[in-house]
Amino acid sequence: EADIYQTPRYLVIGTGKKITLECSQTMGHDKMYWYQQDPGMELHLIHYSYGVNSTEKGDLSSESTVSRIRTEHFPLTLESARPSHTSQYLCASSDPQAWSTDTQYFGPGTRLTVL
Amino acid sequence: EDQVTQSPEALRLQEGESSSLNCSYTVSGLRGLFWYRQDPGKGPEFLFTLYSAGEEKEKERLKATLTKKESFLHITAPKPEDSATYLCAFAGNSGAGSYQLTFGKGTKLSVIP
Repeated sequence: EADIYQTPRYLVIGTGKKITLECSQTMGHDKMYWYQQDPGMELHLIHYSYGVNSTEKGDLSSESTVSRIRTEHFPLTLESARPSHTSQYLCASSDPQAWSTDTQYFGPGTRLTVL
Repeated sequence: EDQVTQSPEALRLQEGESSSLNCSYTVSGLRGLFWYRQDPGKGPEFLFTLYSAGEEKEKERLKATLTKKESFLHITAPKPEDSATYLCAFAGNSGAGSYQLTFGKGTKLSVIP
C-alpha cells in the first residue's frame, strides 16, 4: 500500500501570493511526479524527478517550480498565484522496475483555489 | 500522436447489473496499460497493470483485459461502493521513457441500490 502524503488538502489564497504544496512519501521511491487535474479532465504531468537533485518539466507547461533535496520530499512552489492556477494538484511516486514499467502511486491531492 | 479514449463518459448501473468500461489507445509501443479508481476529491488508487495483448487480471468484482488496441474493465455484479471514476492510462515508448503516463478522461460509474 502506498504511503504518500500531501499538505494542505485544501487551499484558498489571493492572487499574487507565493505558495508551496508539500508532498512526502515514506516508501523510499526514487521517482516522483506532480500532475494537474481539472474537473472531468485528464491528469497532466507538470513535473517529475528521477531522484535527489533531479527535476524535469512534464508535457503541460506550468509556471510552478519543484525541488528534490531529499528522496522523500518533492515540494511544488508557485511564486505568484493567479486564478488560472486554480486546480487539483496530485503528487505520485514510483519504484523503478528494470523488468517492467513502474507503477505510480498517488497522494490524496491538494485542491487549490486562487481568488 | 499517442492518445487514449475512454467510453462511456458516464454509466449508471443497477446493483448487480454487470457491464464493461472501454479504453481504446493509439501508441507506437505500449509499455504498460494501467487502470485506476478515483473517488471524488481524492487521488487515483491503483487497480491493475497489463503489459501484453491477451493478458487478464482480476480483483474482487473487477476484471481487466487487454487487446492490441483496447482494454476493458469488466464489472461483475457491482455494488454501490463500486461507484467512482475509473481512469485508464498507458506508458508508451515516448522519448521521455516509461515514466510518462497518458491518461484518459475517465468513466464515471454510478451504481444504484
